[in-house]
Amino acid sequence: SYVLTQPPSVSVAPGQTARLTCEGDNIRSKTVHWYQQKPGQAPVGVVIDDSDRPSGIPERFSGSKSGSAATLIISRVEAGDEADYYCQMWDVTGAPPVVFGGGTKLTVL
Amino acid sequence: EVQLVESGGAGVQPGGSLRLSCAASGFTFDEYAMHWVRQAPGKGLEWISFINSDGTDTYYADSVDGRFTISRDNSQNFLFLHMQNLRPGDTALYFCAKVSSGYDPAFDYWGQGTLVTVSS
Repeated sequence: SYVLTQPPSVSVAPGQTARLTCEGDNIRSKTVHWYQQKPGQAPVGVVIDDSDRPSGIPERFSGSKSGSAATLIISRVEAGDEADYYCQMWDVTGAPPVVFGGGTKLTVL
Repeated sequence: EVQLVESGGAGVQPGGSLRLSCAASGFTFDEYAMHWVRQAPGKGLEWISFINSDGTDTYYADSVDGRFTISRDNSQNFLFLHMQNLRPGDTALYFCAKVSSGYDPAFDYWGQGTLVTVSS
């Protein structure tokens, strides 16, 4: 089965840029989505289709892919960005067909 | 406004059964595939099941295959998850989620989840 690997935690000071990575084999050929989950809440999509933002998501959130990693970039980090972030993709020929990364806890110092 | 509201979660003993429901509103339910995703306490998201828009195609994670059954009632806009032979490892918050249209779609709406606790 396909595996997406995320670092368990990332810390950043307010106003700085956070880069959260998601690594997987041949990820450049996959479409990656990113979700933010705050405690006690359902996940919310923050970047979809590698680099698009759903309606209502601030421009501070962006996505990119390079080599074997996709990256969620959060510019000018705010205290309210503290959350768990998950990458997700489809592996339609694999089992399971929907894969989530293990998640990264973003801490705003 | 799209709404997904799960219900049916409860405490159950190992080997027991439950049926989870997800009431959908605010979109044309029979045009979209639906999924169940779960999250064990303090853990990450785990996809567990998919059903296509007309209910003719389903898929399961290995961890639940043969024990869980996904179904839908397009006339009433409900998604279901029938869970049998429950194990302590099935303890989790269960979310129903809608995907957007297109190829490799994102999960664009999630319910708030319903909690299943399997313990003796």
